Amino acid sequence: QVQLVESGGGVVQPGGSLRLSCATSGFYFSGHGMHWVRQAPGKGLEWVAFAHYNGENKAYTDSVKGRFTISRDTSKNTVYLEMNSLKFEDAGLYHCAKDSSAGSYELRSWGQGTLVTVSS
Amino acid sequence: QSALTQPASVSGSPGQSITISCTGTSDHAYVSWYRLRPGQAPQLVIHDVSNRPSEISNRLSGSKSGNTASLTISGLQTEDEAHYYCCSFARSSSGWVFGGGTMLTVL
Repeated sequence: QVQLVESGGGVVQPGGSLRLSCATSGFYFSGHGMHWVRQAPGKGLEWVAFAHYNGENKAYTDSVKGRFTISRDTSKNTVYLEMNSLKFEDAGLYHCAKDSSAGSYELRSWGQGTLVTVSS
Repeated sequence: QSALTQPASVSGSPGQSITISCTGTSDHAYVSWYRLRPGQAPQLVIHDVSNRPSEISNRLSGSKSGNTASLTISGLQTEDEAHYYCCSFARSSSGWVFGGGTMLTVL
């Protein structure tokens, strides 16, 4: 079955960096777009980034442009989120998610998330 | 990215029906809905306005009129208690946006 397992979260100081990973299994990784979505403590879901199934087309929410980079490694069936210049407001539970099929717009399957804490 | 507007909370009694609205603009397309229960990963319940994954109960349905999408849950059950989020693709930014979420309480 489809599995998405996030890792890499932790405690980081403002201005610091983290790299999140999302290891996937149970589906053809190269045929699906991948998303990162976060939930700040006590807040709602916020879409963060998307990488097209071809890995070339990417999109970001405005607040992370220039600081976050999404990438994917098809040899490892893994998607990453490189986060730099972290701010207090970047703290939260980060989920990765896959789409239903190439070109679809819904987030079909989700991981449990990895927690990012930004603290001085 | 412009926001999608949802009511903060709705409630209903077991067996009743409720509707959660999600208001966007003409820029928003491909509406989907997600259920978030405490301690669980978000779950897709409706996509492309009104399509339901096979594992989702047919008590859940989606619709859209103008710039407002709606999620209706009929025959409310205690297991329906959760936060529900709408989501849409924003054409102008080629990115996605979530609504603020609606807490459904089954009284």
